Amino acid sequence: QVQLQESGPGLVKPSQTLSLTCTVSGGSISSGSYYWSWIRQPAGKGLEWIGRIYPSGSTNYNPSLQSRVTISVDTSKNQLSLKLSSVTAADTAVYFCARGLVGSTWRGDAFDIWGQGTMVTVSS
Amino acid sequence: SSELTQDPAVSVALGQTVRITCQGDSLRSYSATWYQQKPGQAPVFVIYGKNHRPSGIPDRFSGSSSGNTASLTITGAQAEDEADYYCHSRDSSGYRLVFGGGTKLTVL
Repeated sequence: QVQLQESGPGLVKPSQTLSLTCTVSGGSISSGSYYWSWIRQPAGKGLEWIGRIYPSGSTNYNPSLQSRVTISVDTSKNQLSLKLSSVTAADTAVYFCARGLVGSTWRGDAFDIWGQGTMVTVSS
Repeated sequence: SSELTQDPAVSVALGQTVRITCQGDSLRSYSATWYQQKPGQAPVFVIYGKNHRPSGIPDRFSGSSSGNTASLTITGAQAEDEADYYCHSRDSSGYRLVFGGGTKLTVL
């Protein structure tokens, strides 16, 4: 059974770079059937998609974050990573990694497995 | 602002039926996926591909779609269904993903 676990600093200073890792266990991050995403949720607010990476290495990002975001994969460690630069208090949120799939018999996407999330606070 | 619009809050009496809707132009081309999120927990997908239920999701959850609106229906709502519900699909470009703002469901 595939499981995801986020990790990284819980506190980041303004203007610095937020770096998180998501470790995939029980399956290969290189599986061609899935892609991998980061999603965040400020306290008391809704979900915001940050971006995704396909097994090929190609990426898509939320236009509102694109200039600051990098998502990458380390297949040797079975890990997904997120880097978000020039952070401000507005980036304070719970960050989730999730496994995504593209419908085969239907047009759309679904996140079928999520990590538990990790809280990141941006503060000096 | 989200390209998918949901009502912020909906309530339903215990055992009754409730429909939660999600509107967006991209839903004319792409199916919505629905997630249930309880406080302090990660979201769980409950409906995908218009009306497919993942393993373990009760059959009281169903999905439908018409035009630019996708709906999640809970038939015979239970106390444990009280949660936030989010729809998710692609944006109008088809390359990026978006979530609706979420609907807080209260079971009375």
